[in-house]
Amino acid sequence: GNSVTQMEGPVTLSEEAFLTINCTYTATGYPSLFWYVQYPGEGLQLLLKATKADDKGSNKGFEATYRKETTSFHLEKGSVQVSDSAVYFCALSQLSGGYNKLIFGAGTRLAVHP
Amino acid sequence: DGGITQSPKYLFRKEGQNVTLSCEQNLNHDAMYWYRQDPGQGLRLIYYSQIVNDFQKGDIAEGYSVSREKKESFPLTVTSAQKNPTAFYLCASSTGTITGELFFGEGSRLTVL
Repeated sequence: GNSVTQMEGPVTLSEEAFLTINCTYTATGYPSLFWYVQYPGEGLQLLLKATKADDKGSNKGFEATYRKETTSFHLEKGSVQVSDSAVYFCALSQLSGGYNKLIFGAGTRLAVHP
Repeated sequence: DGGITQSPKYLFRKEGQNVTLSCEQNLNHDAMYWYRQDPGQGLRLIYYSQIVNDFQKGDIAEGYSVSREKKESFPLTVTSAQKNPTAFYLCASSTGTITGELFFGEGSRLTVL
């Protein structure tokens, strides 16, 4: 079945460092891919998405490119801030019996220090 | 503002009691979902619904029940049959298309005493 694999955390960085969080997926067909962010005690917020191969999603300085040849959707940011500390989830959409569902990775915790 | 409202935010339950978590959306979305999140883990799908009066079991439906009598509402009941109900519960909605993202509520934290 479809699945998402993320790099294990926590990822600990100093402010202004470069961030990469790896995400690879297994899927049939052509899923859409998403990155969500979760701040402590809150629900998930969409960070960015890409709906077809070679699309680049971007938002708030974060970006990720849908790479079908490597089945990857790595999240990057050139210069992280303390306020970026959160848990990041990679996800893919799949159609099952006419229903659309999202499959989530386990999440990667990011801690940014001043 | 459009969005998803979950209530209560915190809930305590004694063993053997059923509890119902509320989820309301005013985004006019067709699809609604319930996920469970345990500490340090990802999200696991409990139930989902594409249209009124229809819903499907997700990966961990045992011990849970739902209803979808109105498009805006998708309440989740955690029954006494759920062996380990302490968790963070997240409700979401979407347009239901494969390119449509999920919009999440703020979550409900259930603790069994």
